[in-house]
Amino acid sequence: DAGITQSPRHKVTETGTPVTLRCHQTENHRYMYWYRQDPGHGLRLIHYSYGVKDTDKGEVSDGYSVSRSKTEDFLLTLESATNSQTSVYFCAISDSNQPQHFGDGTRLSIL
Amino acid sequence: AQSVTQLGSHVSVSEGALVLLRCNYSSSVPPYLFWYVQYPNQGLQLLLKYTTGATLVKGINGFEAEFKKSETSFHLTKPSAHMSDAAEYFCAVTREGGYNKLIFGAGTRLAVHP
Repeated sequence: DAGITQSPRHKVTETGTPVTLRCHQTENHRYMYWYRQDPGHGLRLIHYSYGVKDTDKGEVSDGYSVSRSKTEDFLLTLESATNSQTSVYFCAISDSNQPQHFGDGTRLSIL
Repeated sequence: AQSVTQLGSHVSVSEGALVLLRCNYSSSVPPYLFWYVQYPNQGLQLLLKYTTGATLVKGINGFEAEFKKSETSFHLTKPSAHMSDAAEYFCAVTREGGYNKLIFGAGTRLAVHP
């Protein structure tokens, strides 16, 4: 929805491996966000970006890094995946003074 | 610091009954408040938002919410539930005002019975 594509949609991997999730938008929005969704916690912000090469940490950023080299792409990397990072990951986008719109999510399982 | 509390992780209503989902917030700045809905295996869809002005806001699918500053509440209501309303609902407030950096409640799963 709202021109947001997350890939992959599902991934299973092993602990200690690197994982990169991609968020691609076609809306040319300035802001992009990564959240994780876990039962009992709602969604929690991992990292966000307010422009190309401009990123900042959210409330649960440990173990995650991000990059934004183009307006349309926002990458989330788990350098060395752990069991506690098993979750559903959502990307969101917004423009100035506009509410956030969400992608369909990536379900990540770390065994 | 901003926070959101949704009372009741599960709510069950009969089709045609009133839907009331409760949300209380705390915020050190004038809040922007949101309700999102999530259907199974989908992302979140914006139902409605409050920024400034009229405290009763109407959203999609017949939902509305009222901002009550004195009660720090933003409860979501719908007069008559439909089977298609079964989903998970999230209340959210922005961390620093404006639209960025949302803080979500834990969610309320709504079940609608015939």
